[in-house]
Amino acid sequence: DVKVTQSSRYLVKRTGEKVFLECVQDMDHENMFWYRQDPGLGLRLIYFSYDVKMKEKGDIPEGYSVSREKKERFSLILESASTNQTSMYLCASSLSPLADSTDTQYFGPGTRLTVL
Amino acid sequence: QKEVEQNSGPLSVPEGAIASLNCTYSDRVSQSFFWYRQYSGKSPELIMSIYSNGDKEDGRFTAQLNKASQYVSLLIRDSQPSDSATYLCAGRKYNFNKFYFGSGTKLNVKP
Repeated sequence: DVKVTQSSRYLVKRTGEKVFLECVQDMDHENMFWYRQDPGLGLRLIYFSYDVKMKEKGDIPEGYSVSREKKERFSLILESASTNQTSMYLCASSLSPLADSTDTQYFGPGTRLTVL
Repeated sequence: QKEVEQNSGPLSVPEGAIASLNCTYSDRVSQSFFWYRQYSGKSPELIMSIYSNGDKEDGRFTAQLNKASQYVSLLIRDSQPSDSATYLCAGRKYNFNKFYFGSGTKLNVKP
């Protein structure tokens, strides 16, 4: 079974703090993704990575950065947390690069971040 | 137009009935389609994927894809209260990593 884990289930931070969210997958997947999910807005892609040290911006990258130093680990960084970054953050991974139409995304349990 | 659109619901069905969830998609989404179930406070869990026109059955779940009309649906037979959740439709363009997610349809199955 695919296993995607996230470092925290719940996190409370203060405005202006630097926040690190970590995601680890154990299935040797090439692709990893960070989403945020808000009521009424659905899942929105922040960043994704298709290889070590490679990253691409998603739909809402502002205020976030990412790091992928090892294949199994993908970190999301909030450089200076703000209250509008309070959300559920979901990490996902998928196996193959571009060519496989059957490729499926598998999600981690999520981190509910509250910024006060 | 959003790439993938769903009615937000809630859709209410009695226990034992068939629940029908629908999703439409734009030309930017063409190849593979996925249904995820998400319980409140939890992360999305893959239920089914479908890549070809027609029906695909897995237990009580049937996914239907109609590429000419650009819609994909999920039928849940013999609905149970444990099926109460939000169902997310997702699509992917061939040769492209990005998934497009609908905003989800909330299903309530009443005992």
